[in-house]
Amino acid sequence: SAVISQKPSRDICQRGTSLTIQCQVDSQVTMMFWYRQQPGQSLTLIATANQGSEATYESGFVIDKFPISRPNLTFSTLTVSNMSPEDSSIYLCSVEGWRGLNTEAFFGQGTRLTVV
Amino acid sequence: GENVEQHPSTLSVQEGDSAVIKCTYSDSASNYFPWYKQELGKRPQLIIDIRSNVGEKKDQRIAVTLNKTAKHFSLHITETQPEDSAVYFCARGGGGNKLTFGTGTQLKVEL
Repeated sequence: SAVISQKPSRDICQRGTSLTIQCQVDSQVTMMFWYRQQPGQSLTLIATANQGSEATYESGFVIDKFPISRPNLTFSTLTVSNMSPEDSSIYLCSVEGWRGLNTEAFFGQGTRLTVV
Repeated sequence: GENVEQHPSTLSVQEGDSAVIKCTYSDSASNYFPWYKQELGKRPQLIIDIRSNVGEKKDQRIAVTLNKTAKHFSLHITETQPEDSAVYFCARGGGGNKLTFGTGTQLKVEL
């Protein structure tokens, strides 16, 4: 399995500021995924972070708003820039890891962001 | 598109009854179908998954069925217990565990 440490676990931020969320994995992984879960909603993929190349963003998400770093195979950051109340969500990172003979997605504990 | 439709959005059952949640997808390249349980304030936890080469999988009180021809899959929980109350998400993956999630089902198991 993969153990992911995500921080901060929660934060309350002023609009117009930026917050950087960190994810540390206990093993090397090729891809890391960043999801957003708006209040009462499902998870939506923001982007896929690959080491050594730019992140791949899903439709509706742009690099200027959600810059991502992936400096090595165990770490990634997601920044939520120029925040507005609409950015209030839970942000989760995820990696693919092994459980027995199969792979599955493992999630960090999430960052609950409130923008005021 | 690549969306996953999930029904019902809310489900209330009596303790001991069965609960069934259904999902449909459109992307034929999908080959991995996990189900997650998310309790309030916690991260999603995988409860069962199925891959495209299998039609059914069971783990104690939980089972998942997959119909690739019709592009739908279902979660079945038998003998429901109050601790089964949570939000359940289906998802589909096409490789690399990049997942597209369903819209979620709020399951409430009543005493």
